[in-house]
Amino acid sequence: DAKTTQPTSMDCAEGRAANLPCNHSTISGNEYVYWYRQIHSQGPQYIIHGLKNNETNEMASLIITEDRKSSTLILPHATLRDTAVYYCVHNNDMRFGAGTRLTVKP
Amino acid sequence: NAGVTQTPKFQVLKTGQSMTLQCAQDMNHNSMYWYRQDPGMGLRLIYYSASEGTTDKGEVPNGYNVSRLNKREFSLRLESAAPSQTSVYFCASSEQLSYEQYFGPGTRLTVT
Repeated sequence: DAKTTQPTSMDCAEGRAANLPCNHSTISGNEYVYWYRQIHSQGPQYIIHGLKNNETNEMASLIITEDRKSSTLILPHATLRDTAVYYCVHNNDMRFGAGTRLTVKP
Repeated sequence: NAGVTQTPKFQVLKTGQSMTLQCAQDMNHNSMYWYRQDPGMGLRLIYYSASEGTTDKGEVPNGYNVSRLNKREFSLRLESAAPSQTSVYFCASSEQLSYEQYFGPGTRLTVT
């Protein structure tokens, strides 16, 4: 089983921020948290990763709690094309759980 | 720059038949991976190759073999296909082990 825990599904209104949580309470000190998404049946796509500082790139922001036991992926202005399954992964684990199915609604 | 390519895109096998799934990357990555994804499930790691010349078992290696042919290519072989191996197979690569992975489009395999 994956070492991360994510909600099964979430909805978000188009144009609003989507906040996707992930619990990774067993993460070790040198492990990064990686986020990927899978649109329909395509191959997963890398989004962002972080160790302990918050990170931002052109796709998303990643907020990691101070104790590193959880993180939140933020899509600041969700669009219909962001509808996908989102996975959070420990980089040394290489196990993808079932992820969170995000549905962005008009 | 094609990234990660996989062949074939679709395949139907009869129980007991063998086949090899091909994967190639043009990003000069050291590490490569094979995953399977069953309907409604996450990805499960079958085998990985940290660098050219090395391969290691992942979470679900039974019934599969792999070959890291060179730095670019990593193949997955099913010696005697079983219906339980019906799945979508994804290949991925990364610059180093445990760095961000880049995935291919997948091979949809049905074993009847």
